[in-house]
Amino acid sequence: KQEVTQIPAALSVPEGENLVLNCSFTDSAIYNLQWFRQDPGKGLTSLLLIQSSQREQTSGRLNASLDKSSGRSTLYIAASQPGDSATYLCAVRSYSGSARQLTFGSGTQLTVLP
Amino acid sequence: DVKVTQSSRYLVKRTGEKVFLECVQDMDHENMFWYRQDPGLGLRLIYFSYDVKMKEKGDIPEGYSVSREKKERFSLILESASTNQTSMYLCASSLTGEAFFGQGTRLTVV
Repeated sequence: KQEVTQIPAALSVPEGENLVLNCSFTDSAIYNLQWFRQDPGKGLTSLLLIQSSQREQTSGRLNASLDKSSGRSTLYIAASQPGDSATYLCAVRSYSGSARQLTFGSGTQLTVLP
Repeated sequence: DVKVTQSSRYLVKRTGEKVFLECVQDMDHENMFWYRQDPGLGLRLIYFSYDVKMKEKGDIPEGYSVSREKKERFSLILESASTNQTSMYLCASSLTGEAFFGQGTRLTVV
């Protein structure tokens, strides 16, 4: 059964710093991996989707990488801003079990201090 | 813009009531999902549906049922609400690629 881990659970950085959030998964037979942002009390907002054949995806200040062989993905946030404060979740869609299901990590709670 | 809409943001229900949570998507997606999210437990899959009238149990289906009569609508039913079903409920839809979530329903059972 696929397991997804996100470390650290919480991170606090000063505004302007570049930072990296980590996601690891146990089964490398994945279909895709998706990064989400969640603000308190709200739903999940999709940030980036990486297909299994891709190595990275970029959107604005965000860059996500995928290394299937090592079971890892990173989300890089450049020049962080207080508005980036949120919980970031990664989720993988695996071939094991139902390929339609997403398995989520527990998230990294990011605080960017002004 | 893609859209997944949940019928309520906040809901307060009494123990034993039958509760309906509705979710509608406008993207013609085959797959729809219901998750609940609790502090320290993360997102857990309750049920999902891969076509009209088709459903599969997720990790925690006990105490819940679902209905998918039309492709765009997926309903989560709490047959007899209990206090341990107080939670944030999240609906999502997808094809085989990107998943999109609704805004969430905060359900409190008193």
